[in-house]
Amino acid sequence: QITLKESGPTLVKPTQTLTLTCTFSGFSLSTSGVGVGWIRQPPGKALEWLALIYWDDDKRYSPSLKSRLTITKDTSKNQVVLTMTNMDPVDTATYYCAHRPNFGVVSPFDYWGQGTLVTVSS
Amino acid sequence: DIQMTQSPSSVSASVGDRVTITCRASQGISSWLAWYQQKPGKAPKLLIFTASSLQSGVPSRFSGSGSGTDFTLTISSLQPEDFATYYCQQANSFLALTFGGGTKVEIK
Repeated sequence: QITLKESGPTLVKPTQTLTLTCTFSGFSLSTSGVGVGWIRQPPGKALEWLALIYWDDDKRYSPSLKSRLTITKDTSKNQVVLTMTNMDPVDTATYYCAHRPNFGVVSPFDYWGQGTLVTVSS
Repeated sequence: DIQMTQSPSSVSASVGDRVTITCRASQGISSWLAWYQQKPGKAPKLLIFTASSLQSGVPSRFSGSGSGTDFTLTISSLQPEDFATYYCQQANSFLALTFGGGTKVEIK
């Protein structure tokens, strides 16, 4: 079955760079059409999509955060890494990674990791 | 960017009630819409994709409809396990994969 798990620091200081790793199993990111995305959720607030990477290394970013985000994949390790620069307290959130199946251009996120809470504070 | 607006932001309902949640896109998105359910402290769960297709394993009391700019999620007979927050999402990856603001379904 498909599983995903996020890992990374729980606390970062303002202006630092956050690096999160999504380690997954049950699918291959070399399979045509498949993708992995990152979504975050500040405490008590709504979900916000951040980035998406496809099997062919095509990458998509949230327009409002694009300048701060980088998403990469390591197919051999079954991992996707998200970096976010210049962290601010408003970036405090639970960060999720999720699997995007090959339904074509229009696909939902059908499997999600458990999420990891990242707090930004000095 | 496409904005996704959900209404109401919260609804109080009783077990057995029919509940309808609306999602409006700021521009036409065909049927590129997904619905998710999220319970406190848990990751979202996919309910509906392409506006009206039920995800495998999701009870048939959940249904989705709409196209263009206006979409609805309906729970035909609310069950105790359905009290949660529901989110819509624009799902076309050529555009920003924007989520709505959420609708919390609470016990009346």
